[in-house]
Amino acid sequence: DGGITQSPKYLFRKEGQNVTLSCEQNLNHDAMYWYRQDPGQGLRLIYYSQIVNDFQKGDIAEGYSVSREKKESFPLTVTSAQKNPTAFYLCASRLAGGDEQFFGPGTRLTVL
Amino acid sequence: EDQVTQSPEALRLQEGESSSLNCSYTVSGLRGLFWYRQDPGKGPEFLFTLYSAGEEKEKERLKATLTKKESFLHITAPKPEDSATYLCAVRPPTGTASKLTFGTGTRLQVTL
Repeated sequence: DGGITQSPKYLFRKEGQNVTLSCEQNLNHDAMYWYRQDPGQGLRLIYYSQIVNDFQKGDIAEGYSVSREKKESFPLTVTSAQKNPTAFYLCASRLAGGDEQFFGPGTRLTVL
Repeated sequence: EDQVTQSPEALRLQEGESSSLNCSYTVSGLRGLFWYRQDPGKGPEFLFTLYSAGEEKEKERLKATLTKKESFLHITAPKPEDSATYLCAVRPPTGTASKLTFGTGTRLQVTL
């Protein structure tokens, strides 16, 4: 089955720790995106990548980092510099030339 | 700045009671308006893309329509399984990255 997988589903982190969220897709999509979702707010774009080895900051990139070494993978690292990291994180992908973004199941990160 | 406003924030319907959700937007030169369905704790599921005023798309009990300033998601004879949060997003005309601006969603509950 083609799709987008995110792991883990739940993640707990102590303050001051970096943590990496995984996003993998086997849809052969070119573009990938990371969003953050908080209660009462729309999805906000953290980072996006249109091709391998290239990525751009979104609207709320501070305290986050990404890499795109493979077409299928776009991991997100939440660093200790992110002041309020507790949120639901969503990864999405899009086929080149297409408009629709398709989402993974999400990772809920809680900072203890 | 692109803005997307969804109303109402929450809607409670009885099974079979048809209604509409609204998505109003301010963006210069819309390149696409998207509707998603999101179940609690899951990633958004793509429903429709609309590109021009007057366009309509249908899927089962859902029909999406578009004008120059807003989109409606009409739900005909809803069932309890239609309960979810419905998200609207717009794509502005600039760039090729297909960056989306999301509304905060309408939380729909359909009761027996």
